[in-house]
Amino acid sequence: NAGVTQTPKFQVLKTGQSMTLQCAQDMNHNSMYWYRQDPGMGLRLIYYSASEGTTDKGEVPNGYNVSRLNKREFSLRLESAAPSQTSVYFCASSSRTGLTDTQYFGPGTRLTVL
Amino acid sequence: GENVEQHPSTLSVQEGDSAVIKCTYSDSASNYFPWYKQELGKRPQLIIDIRSNVGEKKDQRIAVTLNKTAKHFSLHITETQPEDSAVYFCAARIVMNRDDKIIFGKGTRLHILP
Repeated sequence: NAGVTQTPKFQVLKTGQSMTLQCAQDMNHNSMYWYRQDPGMGLRLIYYSASEGTTDKGEVPNGYNVSRLNKREFSLRLESAAPSQTSVYFCASSSRTGLTDTQYFGPGTRLTVL
Repeated sequence: GENVEQHPSTLSVQEGDSAVIKCTYSDSASNYFPWYKQELGKRPQLIIDIRSNVGEKKDQRIAVTLNKTAKHFSLHITETQPEDSAVYFCAARIVMNRDDKIIFGKGTRLHILP
């Protein structure tokens, strides 16, 4: 079991460029998430997908789009990157069991926008 | 909107002493409260969680307490060791859009002093 995988690990973009961050999980989880982590700001939810075929906005969705390609894959797209999107991006997945909802995180993508 | 407040943002304790991190939440319907540990350069990982139907849970040197009336919960680490140095995030399940989601606090950086 690879768990949650993300590509790429590092990326440098120029302002205005676009890119897609890829995420895949092999745990058969229904829910998948994208977070960004900035110093002193914790983990902020960008978008989530409660199940295959559904996506919803989180706390900070502006400037991003997502696609839940199938149950395994959830991608995050930056259409026109801005310096404010410089951050570490984490994908996560979870499968709720009663009240418990453990999130499993990927290794992260460190993105720099110049 | 609904949020999770976490204090302190930084905490330094002598090795062997105890550390306490406190969080408050705003959604009275929240019923699940996980804690994650993130070591430097690594992904966040669940260390302990508590559900709303219990007031305390312990796992070796770590424990969590929950006060639903006051809407706050705490992480207690006893007999701290160097490997406890990390950033700790509290989280709470809140209702967002049509689904309930896990929202994270901003994190506490814990330093264990030799």
